[in-house]
Amino acid sequence: QVQLVESGGGVVQPGRSLRLSCAASGFSFSNYDMHWVRQAPGKGLESVALISYDGNNKYYADSVKGRFTIFRDNSNNTLYLQMNSLRAEDTAVFHCARQSMISFGRVMDYWGQGTLVTVSS
Amino acid sequence: QSALTQPASVSGSPGQSITISCTGTSSDVGGYDYVAWYQQHPGKAPKLMIYDVTNRPSGVSNRFSGSKSGNTASLTISGLQAEDEAHYYCSSYTSSNTYVVFGGGAKLTVL
Repeated sequence: QVQLVESGGGVVQPGRSLRLSCAASGFSFSNYDMHWVRQAPGKGLESVALISYDGNNKYYADSVKGRFTIFRDNSNNTLYLQMNSLRAEDTAVFHCARQSMISFGRVMDYWGQGTLVTVSS
Repeated sequence: QSALTQPASVSGSPGQSITISCTGTSSDVGGYDYVAWYQQHPGKAPKLMIYDVTNRPSGVSNRFSGSKSGNTASLTISGLQAEDEAHYYCSSYTSSNTYVVFGGGAKLTVL
């Protein structure tokens, strides 16, 4: 079955960096576009970044552009999010999600449980 | 402030039907038939319930249905059950550079 397992979250000081990982299994990872979506405590969902199946195309939310980098290792079925210059407002649970092939829209059919990032001094 | 507007809360009794609205603009909901709905129980990952406005993924109960009129999409849940109590988020493809936008989420309470 499809599994997405995030890791790498934790407590980090403002201005520092953190790298999140998402280990994928149960499907052909290299065939799918992948997303990072975050959810601040008690808040709604916010798309953060999207990467095409081959890693050649990347999209970012304005709120993270220039600070976050999405990339992937298809040989190891892993998605990453490099987060630099972290701010308090980046505090959230970060989910990775698979973009579905059943739609041409940005539909996410499988999600991980998420990893919590807390930015605090 | 989320890009798509949803009511903060809705409620209904078991067996009843409820509808959750999701209002956007002509750049997202109104411009494309790519609205999706997600269910999220506390502490759990979101689950896709509806895609492309009206379609249900395999395994999702037919008590869940979607529709759209103009810039507003709707999720209807019929025959409410206790396990339907959760947060529901809408999303839409968008022509803006954010590529996908979400609503702020609606908390469904089954009375």
